[in-house]
Amino acid sequence: DQQVKQNSPSLSVQEGRISILNCDYTNSMFDYFLWYKKYPAEGPTFLISISSIKDKNEDGRFTVFLNKSAKHLSLHIVPSQPGDSAVYFCAASPNDYKLSFGAGTTVTVRA
Amino acid sequence: EAGVTQFPSHSVIEKGQTVTLRCDPISGHDNLYWYRRVMGKEIKFLLHFVKESKQDESGMPNNRFLAERTGGTYSTLKVQPAELEDSGVYFCASSQGRHTDTQYFGPGTRLTVL
Repeated sequence: DQQVKQNSPSLSVQEGRISILNCDYTNSMFDYFLWYKKYPAEGPTFLISISSIKDKNEDGRFTVFLNKSAKHLSLHIVPSQPGDSAVYFCAASPNDYKLSFGAGTTVTVRA
Repeated sequence: EAGVTQFPSHSVIEKGQTVTLRCDPISGHDNLYWYRRVMGKEIKFLLHFVKESKQDESGMPNNRFLAERTGGTYSTLKVQPAELEDSGVYFCASSQGRHTDTQYFGPGTRLTVL
């Protein structure tokens, strides 16, 4: 069963605007959450993470928000740039090494 | 510093044949993982090595899959015999000691079983 879900397979945003990617999870044991970014023909690249003791983590243009009660996290990218066009994967782990991923959201940033 | 490398980048085989995928982790990384992405779906965990020992192989689909990491360096994943549903992209990743250390992924091997 899929424990991490990204219900939006794609997102199109204009350059300079905000991109908001959403992710829901079902396993209450998850305590560490990550976002990975993937370009075609490359492997996923770590972007940003958050532990369950926080509700927000920011790194430059990227901010991840965690709502534990709703079992929901989101990634905000602002401002969006053409180089941000990629597939974004949400991932989570229950205090161990095994990552559970969502199916990904393809972001297209329009000039 | 070299990243995680995988060989081959693509493999096309017929059902019933054998294929061996190779992964070279980042030097010094004790943790090595195999994941698989099928048909644009989620990336699924297959197994986790700590040095040469299998720490968690709960994601291995069945006994047609065999992973090894002799000497705790590179790893191989053998599929024998391959079935149509084994087609997908196989990713290898490696990390340092803690479970919150970043997992660095290789570019993947795209396996097509005809």
